[in-house]
Amino acid sequence: NAGVTQTPKFQVLKTGQSMTLQCAQDMNHEYMSWYRQDPGMGLRLIHYSVGAGITDQGEVPNGYNVSRSTTEDFPLRLLSAAPSQTSVYFCASSWRPGQGIYTEAFFGQGTRLTVV
Amino acid sequence: QQQVKQSPQSLIVQKGGIPIINCAYENTAFDYFPWYQQFPGKGPALLIAIRPDVSEKKEGRFTISFNKSAKQFSLHIMDSQPGDSATYFCAADRSSSGSARQLTFGSGTQLTVLP
Repeated sequence: NAGVTQTPKFQVLKTGQSMTLQCAQDMNHEYMSWYRQDPGMGLRLIHYSVGAGITDQGEVPNGYNVSRSTTEDFPLRLLSAAPSQTSVYFCASSWRPGQGIYTEAFFGQGTRLTVV
Repeated sequence: QQQVKQSPQSLIVQKGGIPIINCAYENTAFDYFPWYQQFPGKGPALLIAIRPDVSEKKEGRFTISFNKSAKQFSLHIMDSQPGDSATYFCAADRSSSGSARQLTFGSGTQLTVLP
């Protein structure tokens, strides 16, 4: 049981390049989400998905695309990388929340992206 | 606009001390308040969570105090140990469109516990 797996762990891109950050979970969680972590700003939600085929925007979606074709995978695509997208990216997954119960978000180990 | 404000940004205590991290929120739609712990090079992991109808919750050495009227909550770490050195994030959870929920994080507190 690997939990949430993110690849790659590190990446350097040139401005204007595109790439896909991979995220896979083996816990059969319905909810998956992407966050970016920047110094002094905590984690900010980029996009999230409540199930296969369903995605929605979070707080900072501009410049990123997502899709969810399977329960297990939730890739994040950078269409045309910009220096402002230099950050650490975290993928998370969780169960659909039950009534009155907080469902824990399980995070991957992160992808450190530098755009030059 | 930061919906969850966290302080202090960094905190240094001696082993055995009781570090306290404070958070405040504005949106009354939040209905769960978890704390996450993050070690260097790792993703955040859930430490403890509280509902707004509870004023205090303890799990081991970690205690959340919640003041609903003031819209504030805090994390206390009893008998802190060097192994507690990490970044701590408060967060607030709420329902969003449809059946979705959104987690909003504070800016984080870097805690160092000296031996």
